Amino acid sequence: GESVGLHLPTLSVQEGDNSIINCAYSNSASDYFIWYKQESGKGPQFIIDIRSNMDKRQGQRVTVLLNKTVKHLSLQIAATQPGDSAVYFCAERQGGSEKLVFGKGMKLTVNP
Amino acid sequence: SAVISQKPSRDICQRGTSLTIQCQVDSQVTMMFWYRQQPGQSLTLIATANQGSEATYESGFVIDKFPISRPNLTFSTLTVSNMSPEDSSIYLCSVRLDSDRTQYFGPGTRLLVL
Repeated sequence: GESVGLHLPTLSVQEGDNSIINCAYSNSASDYFIWYKQESGKGPQFIIDIRSNMDKRQGQRVTVLLNKTVKHLSLQIAATQPGDSAVYFCAERQGGSEKLVFGKGMKLTVNP
Repeated sequence: SAVISQKPSRDICQRGTSLTIQCQVDSQVTMMFWYRQQPGQSLTLIATANQGSEATYESGFVIDKFPISRPNLTFSTLTVSNMSPEDSSIYLCSVRLDSDRTQYFGPGTRLLVL
């Protein structure tokens, strides 16, 4: 069956450190991946996405890496700030479908 | 991106009653989706609601329990029928812009069933 999971359920970092959130996916037919950030009491907020024909994509303070060989996705946050504290979800979309399958979520806590 | 609003933002309901959740987007979109997020858990797709066609439900979700309307390109409703405490969740709508492949989410409706 299809599944998307995260390696770490919680992560606590110090302000200014770099954070890495990992995600494993199982469906080799997935062609598009998204990272979302969900703050308490809010809906998921789009952070960054990557297509399966790419290995890396950078945004503002965030980088997503995709390793299709081992079906692994990671989100790197540079110079983590207290405002980055949230639950982060990875999601995959299977080729030919609009359906997103979400991972379990990982809570990031940034200590000042 | 898109600006998406949901009403109500939260509600407390009695078991056996029904609640209709509204989702409004500030631009015309073909694809809208409804998700459920149970407490402390991830998002699960309930159904896809494309304008001009019947909603498509995922395994474990049925139209009698979660009827959906999609009357135009900017609006959709999800009804949670004959509620039980197990229906206590956050219900989220999302849209995929016709010019984009990303799904954008509304703020969610927090439902507590007593």
